[in-house]
Amino acid sequence: GAVVSQHPSRVICKSGTSVKIECRSLDFQATTMFWYRQFPKKSLMLMATSNEGSKATYEQGVEKDKFLINHASLTLSTLTVTSAHPEDSSFYICSAPGTDTQYFGPGTRLTVL
Amino acid sequence: QKEVEQDPGPLSVPEGAIVSLNCTYSNSAFQYFMWYRQYSRKGPELLMYTYSSGNKEDGRFTAQVDKSSKYISLFIRDSQPSDSATYLCAIGDYKLSFGAGTTVTVRA
Repeated sequence: GAVVSQHPSRVICKSGTSVKIECRSLDFQATTMFWYRQFPKKSLMLMATSNEGSKATYEQGVEKDKFLINHASLTLSTLTVTSAHPEDSSFYICSAPGTDTQYFGPGTRLTVL
Repeated sequence: QKEVEQDPGPLSVPEGAIVSLNCTYSNSAFQYFMWYRQYSRKGPELLMYTYSSGNKEDGRFTAQVDKSSKYISLFIRDSQPSDSATYLCAIGDYKLSFGAGTTVTVRA
């Protein structure tokens, strides 16, 4: 099946700093990618839809200025958590749609101290 | 009402038992139904997907969709300890709506 990678897999940062997470489709092109957030023992919550060549679409309640999304190419989308705070600590997962389903990256665990 | 409802469990079964998981959904327009498996601290991996109604079988896994009842199921036969994970149902066409996930433990 299709492969989606994420980098880094784990990041620890100080409060107030910004963190960039990359999502890449390795063997297929993705004009759209999705960013999810998952709290411990909870389901995936869709944050935003990343669109190549245009602005991202954010779900209700998600701060656009807090979670900056850039879809730089057909294989790369980045999520930047700006001025991170401890409440931003979470597991962030991206996905890219394939022919009939979506393929998920392995996730990035963010810990903000 | 949530778009997708899934009992979070946890569910504990002995090795070799049949694991039965299910979800209900509210939007009758949904056409794609998926089951993902997620191990601790990992991203979800696709197990099976079904388009529209019916059954689909893949090895020890069987997925069923009953659109009239808005009910989907996943059955795992001859369960193994390696099947211990959280199972998420996901429903939708382009954007997916996820269930809460059911944590399954298969005891050796």
